[in-house]
Amino acid sequence: NAGVMQNPRHLVRRRGQEARLRCSPMKGHSHVYWYRQLPEEGLKFMVYLQKENIIDESGMPKERFSAEFPKEGPSILRIQQVVRGDSAAYFCASSRDRQGPDTQYFGPGTRLTVL
Amino acid sequence: AQTVTQSQPEMSVQEAETVTLSCTYDTSESNYYLFWYKQPPSRQMILVIRQEAYKQQNATENRFSVNFQKAAKSFSLKISDSQLGDTAMYFCAFMRRYGGSQGNLIFGKGTKLSVKP
Repeated sequence: NAGVMQNPRHLVRRRGQEARLRCSPMKGHSHVYWYRQLPEEGLKFMVYLQKENIIDESGMPKERFSAEFPKEGPSILRIQQVVRGDSAAYFCASSRDRQGPDTQYFGPGTRLTVL
Repeated sequence: AQTVTQSQPEMSVQEAETVTLSCTYDTSESNYYLFWYKQPPSRQMILVIRQEAYKQQNATENRFSVNFQKAAKSFSLKISDSQLGDTAMYFCAFMRRYGGSQGNLIFGKGTKLSVKP
């Protein structure tokens, strides 16, 4: 009964490079959420996706950030032209396919460091 | 907009004793969920307990229980018989049940709990 999988666990990028973070939801889950955690802070919602659809991206920065959850394969959070302020832990969570929101289970996170 | 406030940045407790972590929230919604998550030094986010706002009975999971006061918008977590493995950051979180932004968890800033031997 695998939980939410995220890779890589640690990612180092230089300013201006691209970062790709991957998330595989728990088996039977079709809702995926991305959150960002800055040092000494709680998690902040970024985007909510279902298969092939972005449901809510109200927490996503308008530029450089994008997310997808294709029909096949993991969800991907993409950050283009990274800057030092993007350094954070990025968590993915998933929930079951049912009417209305459900309990979210989190992956171990990807720690992004921008040099 | 909903907000979640955890007024205790740090707390400590002796092993085997009981500790209560505070959380208050602000919302105009009547239907919502509340959660406590813990984040140990490994940084993994682990669900501790969940409460549906329409349920009057306080949720309980083994040594963890909540005191949910809907009118006061208060949702405290009680940990009984504290264990060293309970050392972690504890986050209170709110989720709307219906409408826009449903499914988005809104987190407090966390309380750092240290259990001392």
